[in-house]
Amino acid sequence: SQTIHQWPATLVQPVGSPLSLECTVEGTSNPNLYWYRQAAGRGLQLLFYSVGIGQISSEVPQNLSASRPQDRQFILSSKKLLLSDSGFYLCAWSRDRVNSPLHFGNGTRLTVT
Amino acid sequence: LAKTTQPISMDSYEGQEVNITCSHNNIATNDYITWYQQFPSQGPRFIIQGYKTKVTNEVASLFIPADRKSSTLSLPRVSLSDTAVYYCLVGNNNDMRFGAGTRLTVKP
Repeated sequence: SQTIHQWPATLVQPVGSPLSLECTVEGTSNPNLYWYRQAAGRGLQLLFYSVGIGQISSEVPQNLSASRPQDRQFILSSKKLLLSDSGFYLCAWSRDRVNSPLHFGNGTRLTVT
Repeated sequence: LAKTTQPISMDSYEGQEVNITCSHNNIATNDYITWYQQFPSQGPRFIIQGYKTKVTNEVASLFIPADRKSSTLSLPRVSLSDTAVYYCLVGNNNDMRFGAGTRLTVKP
C-alpha cells in the first residue's frame, strides 16, 4: 500500500530564517505531488504541484519554492520566512492529474515568530 | 475551473442521515466530483468520487443529478466521530481549489 510521510509535525521558526519541509511517498512510482497551505479556519490553498522529477508548477507567487529531487520526494523551502508564512502545510500525492483522488500527509504546523 | 458553493456549517444528531449539497454550476464535461473529510490538525481524507448518477461506498453515497450542476454527499447514521469539515471539489487535481468546506457538528 501507499504511504506518505511528512515532517516535522510542528515547527517554530523566527522571521527571516530558512525553511525546509520534506515529503516522501512510498509504494508508488511517478506520483503527482502537491503542497498545500491552510490558514487557521480556512480552506486549503494549492501552492505547488509536480508531475515529475524537476517539474514544478507554482500556483501562488510568494517567497516559497518547491523542488522534486527524486521521484517520490517533494521539498518546500524558503530562504527567509515571513510572519504570513505561518500555517498548516500539507503534502499530497495522486496517481494522475485528471481525477485521481488526493492522498494527504498529516501536515506540518509552522509558526513564524 | 468550476467554483463550488457549500453551506458553511451543519448540525446533526447521532444516528441521523446527513446530506450536504454542493453547487458547481460551471462544471466542465470532463470534471469529476470529489469529496474529502478533514479532522482538526490532519490532512483531508478522500471519501468518495463520482461523475454522474449515484456512487456508493462503505462510508457514503454521492448523488449527482443529470445536469451535474450540483451534488449531494449523504452520510448514513452519523456518529460523533463524523464531526469534521467536508469539502466538495470539482475539476482536475492541478486546478483544484479547496473552499472553506462545510463544518458538520454531530451532537449526542
